[in-house]
Amino acid sequence: GENVEQHPSTLSVQEGDSAVIKCTYSDSASNYFPWYKQELGKRPQLIIDIRSNVGEKKDQRIAVTLNKTAKHFSLHITETQPEDSAVYFCAAPSAGGTSYGKLTFGQGTILTVHP
Amino acid sequence: EAQVTQNPRYLITVTGKKLTVTCSQNMNHEYMSWYRQDPGLGLRQIYYSMNVEVTDKGDVPEGYKVSRKEKRNFPLILESPSPNQTSLYFCASSLYGAQPLNTEAFFGQGTRLTVV
Repeated sequence: GENVEQHPSTLSVQEGDSAVIKCTYSDSASNYFPWYKQELGKRPQLIIDIRSNVGEKKDQRIAVTLNKTAKHFSLHITETQPEDSAVYFCAAPSAGGTSYGKLTFGQGTILTVHP
Repeated sequence: EAQVTQNPRYLITVTGKKLTVTCSQNMNHEYMSWYRQDPGLGLRQIYYSMNVEVTDKGDVPEGYKVSRKEKRNFPLILESPSPNQTSLYFCASSLYGAQPLNTEAFFGQGTRLTVV
């Protein structure tokens, strides 16, 4: 099955700085890599995703990059703002074998943006 | 409004007393799943269902049961709850189109369960 490792577990930045969170995965057949943001006391919500046929995707201040050879993908947040403070999760599906259909999340990164 | 609805939002129960957490979605999604969230461990998948009458174990299925008799509903059953099942639980659904699993997961609002 899929194994997803996420780093760092906590990240503290000053407002305006950039933040980068990295995930590695094990299933080479995985083809979809989403990132979710969870604000305090709320449900996780998708902020950006990438499919395996592209290497980078951008949406305003956030971007995701994918390196299929190395089996890792990263979330990049530029010009961070206090409202970016939240827990961020990456995820990857198991695309083959007996675990087909299982979705594995990373352990989460607590991002704190200081004004 | 498109949504995933879980009930109850909060539940305190005693060890061994069977309970059910309901989950319903109104988006005609094929894929539904349950997760538990514990500090430092992220979201761990308990069970998932790729369609009606099809369910599979996730990473932490022990102590839980599910059923998928209708497309919209996916209840989580704890036959004999224990204190180590105290956690925050999320239900989620995804469209699950032609390309497997490459669609956004929509989460319910969460159920905070305490087993004493």
